[in-house]
Amino acid sequence: QSVLTQSPSASGTPGQRVTISCSGSSSNIGTYHVSWYQHLPGTAPKLLICRDNQRPSGVPDRFSGSKSGTSASLDISGLRSEDEAEYYCAAWDNGLSSWVFGGGTSLTVL
Amino acid sequence: EVQLVESGGGLVQPGGSLRLSCAASGFTFSTSWMNWVRQAPGKGLQWVASIKKDGTEKSYVDSVKGRFTISRDNAMNSLYLQMNSLRIEDTAVYYCANGDQFDYWGLGTLVAVSS
Repeated sequence: QSVLTQSPSASGTPGQRVTISCSGSSSNIGTYHVSWYQHLPGTAPKLLICRDNQRPSGVPDRFSGSKSGTSASLDISGLRSEDEAEYYCAAWDNGLSSWVFGGGTSLTVL
Repeated sequence: EVQLVESGGGLVQPGGSLRLSCAASGFTFSTSWMNWVRQAPGKGLQWVASIKKDGTEKSYVDSVKGRFTISRDNAMNSLYLQMNSLRIEDTAVYYCANGDQFDYWGLGTLVAVSS
């Protein structure tokens, strides 16, 4: 059971907009920044969003992040087949004194 | 181009030890926090340990405290993870990642703990 809760799966058709959510608590998302990662099997995970809503250089603006209270969201617009991957949220947790990750959301592009 | 290359994984019996290495290039290693994150088979990502740029601060997930030690050599641009008293549940792909936001990651090295 992960400290940060994500839906196990999400799906959409090419061109659609998909939202992946991440729910936490006051000891993590409610206090600290959230980051998002994209991971395809056999590859290095990739940072998509840092500090709640900041896109590192090279990440397409189709990806955006937001946070409200103890929940965060990753929006992917103009869905493409290459977006099919596992997506993880993460934040520091001051109760555990540990970085915590969500369980991951598997995105399928239909 | 940032490159992080992990090595040192392998098959080990329960109770055994392994030392993982991560060779870094393409960024200023000595000014970057460094981290280890793992992924057990069929599971999600789990943070393992972090070390401050100068090595003066280290933190670990509870399940590895007292068994794993993170260290770095800034002259060699290298990160290490000494893993002792390995357990079956430590079986995972171990990734190194740089920065305080896990900015870049390597491809990982597989550690399999089995009798």
